[in-house]
Formats: sequence, C-alpha cells, structure tokens
Amino acid sequence: AQSVTQLGSHVSVSEGALVLLRCNYSSSVPPYLFWYVQYPNQGLQLLLKYTSAATLVKGINGFEAEFKKSETSFHLTKPSAHMSDAAEYFCAVSLIKAAGNKLTFGGGTRVLVKP
Amino acid sequence: EPEVTQTPSHQVTQMGQEVILRCVPISNHLYFYWYRQILGQKVEFLVSFYNNEISEKSEIFDDQFSVERPDGSNFTLKIRSTKLEDSAMYFCASSAPLNSPLHFGNGTRLTVT
Repeated sequence: AQSVTQLGSHVSVSEGALVLLRCNYSSSVPPYLFWYVQYPNQGLQLLLKYTSAATLVKGINGFEAEFKKSETSFHLTKPSAHMSDAAEYFCAVSLIKAAGNKLTFGGGTRVLVKP
Repeated sequence: EPEVTQTPSHQVTQMGQEVILRCVPISNHLYFYWYRQILGQKVEFLVSFYNNEISEKSEIFDDQFSVERPDGSNFTLKIRSTKLEDSAMYFCASSAPLNSPLHFGNGTRLTVT
C-alpha cells in the first residue's frame, strides 16, 4: 500500500519569496510521484511528475520538485512566489497496475501569497 | 488542449434520490476514473474503468455506486440512493497510456439535503 503525507495544511508566503511545500511518501514499489494544483472552483491540474528518470523535475509555472529516495520525499519548490500561485497543492503517489493508474493523494497544502 | 468535461457543475438532490454525474473524457484516452473530495478532506479514489469494465474500486464504492460508458464518449457515475455523507466534489479523470498522468475535470459539487 502507498501513502502520502503533506506537512502543513496551510502555507503563507510573501510575493517574491521562496515557496516550499513538503511531501513524504511510502510505497512498497518504486513510486511514480505527482504534484497537482487546484485553483478555486477548478479541477486538478498537473504541475509535474516523477517517473524514475531525472530526480529533479521541472514543471509548469516555474515549479520544480526533487525526488530523494533516501528521504522518501518529493518536495515542491518555486524560487519566487507570484500572487497567481495562490491555490491548493496536492502531492500524489501512483501505483500502476495493468488496468489502471490509481493515485493516492496527500491532504493538500493551501498556499496564500501576501503582497 | 483537450479537456475532461463534467456536467453538471453543481447538483443538489434530496436524500434517497438517484443522481447521475456525467463526464466526457479526452477522446483517445483508454482509462477512466472517479475520485471524490469531501469538504476539508483528501481526494479519494473511487473507481477505475478500462476495457468496458471496472478494473479496481475502493471500499467507498459500494453497491449504491455504479459506472457506465454508455456510448463510447460519456462516462457516468450513478449513485442509486444518495445519503447525506455522499455530499462531496466528484472528479472524473482519464489517462492514455498506462503510465501517463491523469487529466481531471473541474468536478461536480454534489449536495445531498
């Protein structure tokens, strides 16, 4: 079985400051890992994914995440926060079987960006 | 870019009534999913569907729930007799090759009164 823990349900950052969202996972097999973003009243949009290639993954909107097997982590960062980054962010781990790609989500981290 | 579309965006129903939530997955995708998010809680897996049958379902997906792909384009979730605790945002998703990311719709907010 796999699970995902996101530290901090709410994060507040100043515009221009570093955004760091923490994600730790557990998985019995090598994981596929994802970050999704949810803007108000919208669905889940893929930010980036790790699928066993490069450990540093670049995504959309200037976000990146680093897979660290020794720490079972996949933290999401962005060097400089923008007001438009205010949203809820979900880390997810995937267990790929022959008949589907089942995602297990973390609890989400809501990001507030202060001017 | 192709999108997963869900209708309606909001649905209010009375306890005990049947509801059908509709989804149009991306046209060349083969795998289809329903997830739900109860207010303030995690996004939870409900069911996956491939090759015209359920491939996996969670313990949440009991006999009150069913899925169908009636016409090759729509993918529906039916709740036969809604309960108050079924109130949630329901997300449809689809994916193409097996290890490709899921694409999610904007969700249907179901409120059971």
